[in-house]
Amino acid sequence: RKEVEQDPGPFNVPEGATVAFNCTYSNSASQSFFWYRQDCRKEPKLLMSVYSSGNEDGRFTAQLNRASQYISLLIRDSKLSDSATYLCVVNGRRGSSNTGKLIFGQGTTLQVKP
Amino acid sequence: GAVVSQHPSWVICKSGTSVKIECRSLDFQATTMFWYRQFPKQSLMLMATSNEGSKATYEQGVEKDKFLINHASLTLSTLTVTSAHPEDSSFYICSARARWGTGELFFGEGSRLTVL
Repeated sequence: RKEVEQDPGPFNVPEGATVAFNCTYSNSASQSFFWYRQDCRKEPKLLMSVYSSGNEDGRFTAQLNRASQYISLLIRDSKLSDSATYLCVVNGRRGSSNTGKLIFGQGTTLQVKP
Repeated sequence: GAVVSQHPSWVICKSGTSVKIECRSLDFQATTMFWYRQFPKQSLMLMATSNEGSKATYEQGVEKDKFLINHASLTLSTLTVTSAHPEDSSFYICSARARWGTGELFFGEGSRLTVL
């Protein structure tokens, strides 16, 4: 089983739509969670961290469910510029220690159409 | 903000040659740098962790003699792909962790290697 799993998509949605991506992680000891955005042939860029209480940044909302080991990202009022691959990222753990490494999911591709 | 610069951004080489990729933290000191590889439509896979002044730590399945990593200073890590073959063609991305604050991770722009 992969450490971080995502539905690769693609998700094709019209402008203005609301879309949600899900991600599951296998290590219950994981402490830090992130969503990164990666445009085609570019490096990943941090979109937002995911906090236990959930957090929102403009049109983007991230949620964490530790019991189910599940992370989500909700994008409201989709823009054409939101088209990209969204990577679910978890901080690596070994036992009780943080390895400092980031474990990336495969990514979910979003295509927003006019 | 902090910037990590990678060079070259793309390179084409013949099979059997060696290619060096540089990763520099431009305005901060990075004790740890990470090297990732990404094949088309796949996730970033960590290859190795580069620590300043010590040997790199390689992930399982990554040949340390083929992917040589040198982290000689707090602002520079290099990855050398030795005797490159077509199957080494990939997108190589470095990231650097700042010594200060939350230790946020910053990514380089990536280097696309094509081996003919």
